[in-house]
Amino acid sequence: QKEVEQNSGPLSVPEGAIASLNCTYSDRGSQSFFWYRQYSGKSPELIMFIYSNGDKEDGRFTAQLNKASQYVSLLIRDSQPSDSATYLCAVNPGNQFYFGTGTSLTVIP
Amino acid sequence: SAVISQKPSRDICQRGTSLTIQCQVDSQVTMMFWYRQQPGQSLTLIATANQGSEATYESGFVIDKFPISRPNLTFSTLTVSNMSPEDSSIYLCSALGVDRGRTEAFFGQGTRLTVV
Repeated sequence: QKEVEQNSGPLSVPEGAIASLNCTYSDRGSQSFFWYRQYSGKSPELIMFIYSNGDKEDGRFTAQLNKASQYVSLLIRDSQPSDSATYLCAVNPGNQFYFGTGTSLTVIP
Repeated sequence: SAVISQKPSRDICQRGTSLTIQCQVDSQVTMMFWYRQQPGQSLTLIATANQGSEATYESGFVIDKFPISRPNLTFSTLTVSNMSPEDSSIYLCSALGVDRGRTEAFFGQGTRLTVV
């Protein structure tokens, strides 16, 4: 079983809609959860992180954690074409950092 | 946040030759990693670069093909040896650092390697 699993997509949403991205993790002791965005030809960049004690909202982005079911979600409200990218989920149990395979998102104008 | 300078940004190499990629971090970091990524594909971890000892390689990657050095807490190199066209890919270094009390993964700009 992989440490982090994501649906590779592609996920397509119309401009202005809510995009919902999910990932599951296997280490129940994980305390920190991250979402990275990667544009084509670029390196991943951190856009959101949450600790195990709660959800977080930052502008159009909301990260939510469901500890019982061991999944993390990223919601993007009012999706824009500039949000089109691959989104990587990552968890940080102890000294390791595990990435999911990423979900490709396309926002259609 | 840590800044990672990776070079070269791209190179075109002849098969059978070797290329060394360098990553310099502007602060001391606990761990450094090397990834490979085919265009449109996910990150594949090659190895964890350990300071002062041999790197820890993932399944499918061996030291003879991808020797790694990490002489100190801010610098690491990855060599792609005896290259073949199948080695054409993007290579990324990453480091774990602490930013405002949380551990975060930072990435270099990537090296786009083409083997002809």
